[in-house]
Amino acid sequence: DAMVIQNPRYQVTQFGKPVTLSCSQTLNHNVMYWYQQKSSQAPKLLFHYYDKDFNNEADTPDNFQSRRPNTSFCFLDIRSPGLGDAAMYLCATSRARYEQYFGPGTRLTVT
Amino acid sequence: QQQVKQSPQSLIVQKGGISIINCAYENTAFDYFPWYQQFPGKGPALLIAIRPDVSEKKEGRFTISFNKSAKQFSLHIMDSQPGDSATYFCAAMDSNYQLIWGAGTKLIIKP
Repeated sequence: DAMVIQNPRYQVTQFGKPVTLSCSQTLNHNVMYWYQQKSSQAPKLLFHYYDKDFNNEADTPDNFQSRRPNTSFCFLDIRSPGLGDAAMYLCATSRARYEQYFGPGTRLTVT
Repeated sequence: QQQVKQSPQSLIVQKGGISIINCAYENTAFDYFPWYQQFPGKGPALLIAIRPDVSEKKEGRFTISFNKSAKQFSLHIMDSQPGDSATYFCAAMDSNYQLIWGAGTKLIIKP
């Protein structure tokens, strides 16, 4: 089945230790998104790629970076995680910028 | 102007009843209105969506009602089942193709 896959599902990292989350998709969608979702809140867009064009939200901290080496894969790098970065990180894709399809998420814990 | 206001925050409905969640917006440039369903520990799943040129859309037990003049839209879940217990988010897409999310409604269906 075509889908959005996120690895790992659970990630524990230490305060200040860099961490990378990955997303892959078999939908062949040209737009990929990274969202941060904290408990009982709506997802918050961090950045997105339209094809290879990177779009950063104005309030996304510099601590967050992203890479998209090809159509299928996208990575979220958190350079120096703080306790406030503990959250669910969601990857989503879309073809025509309207219907967005989400992966299962990666739950990040910072100790 | 960029907000989507969602109510209620939480909702308890008896099995077989109708669940109704409401959303309101101000920005008339919004042109796509999806509803997402999210189970604990999972990513949001696109449930149903509507464009502003349509007043109602039905898919199975789920119906969106859209009132363009009032700038309101709502989700109706007919014959609500315990398996429908989840958090529901409404959203609206702005002219930059960004989703503006409501705060979410936690729905509990009592058996």
